[in-house]
Amino acid sequence: AQRVTQPEKLLSVFKGAPVELKCNYSYSGSPELFWYVQYSRQRLQLLLRHIPRESIKGFTADLNKGETSFHLKKPFAQEEDSAMYYCAPLRGSNYKLTFGKGTLLTVNP
Amino acid sequence: DAMVIQNPRYQVTQFGKPVTLSCSQTLNHNVMYWYQQKSSQAPKLLFHYYDKDFNNEADTPDNFQSRRPNTSFCFLDIRSPGLGDAAMYLCATSRGGLAGGKETQYFGPGTRLLVL
Repeated sequence: AQRVTQPEKLLSVFKGAPVELKCNYSYSGSPELFWYVQYSRQRLQLLLRHIPRESIKGFTADLNKGETSFHLKKPFAQEEDSAMYYCAPLRGSNYKLTFGKGTLLTVNP
Repeated sequence: DAMVIQNPRYQVTQFGKPVTLSCSQTLNHNVMYWYQQKSSQAPKLLFHYYDKDFNNEADTPDNFQSRRPNTSFCFLDIRSPGLGDAAMYLCATSRGGLAGGKETQYFGPGTRLLVL
């Protein structure tokens, strides 16, 4: 079965520390993958997609087909990065995203 | 500059009483989606419209219906809400077209449904 896993429900880091939010998938072929983010009291929005070398707000995500992972990374976390992050593979080419359960990132001062 | 608008933001209904949630968009996007998000869970796709073509997810209960009278509006009808239908309902849009769904989905703020 096609599945996306975000193993960490909660992740807490200090400001300036590196952060990595994990995402593993079990999709056949070459899935398209996205990271969506929801800041407090804001709507869900796209953070970044699987485009090589794309960096948004200092975040990057590399697709590792061997490990079937699409981890989200940032070298120096900021307090404003505190949010819920969802990994979302695209199912086939028919406009359907499947969201992981999400990781709540808290960046402490 | 709200692009995907959902009304109301909070909706209270009674067990078994039909309820309709509304979504409108100013983006002129071809695709509109409805997601259900229960507490501490991921958004779950219920169905989507590509223009007038309705696409239901296999596990969406029959209790949930949708209408899209024009490009701008899409409605979620819950015919007989149960206590288990209490959730946040998210509307989203995407452009559609040759990208095959790879483009961004734009979300509304959601409507929180409470069933008494």
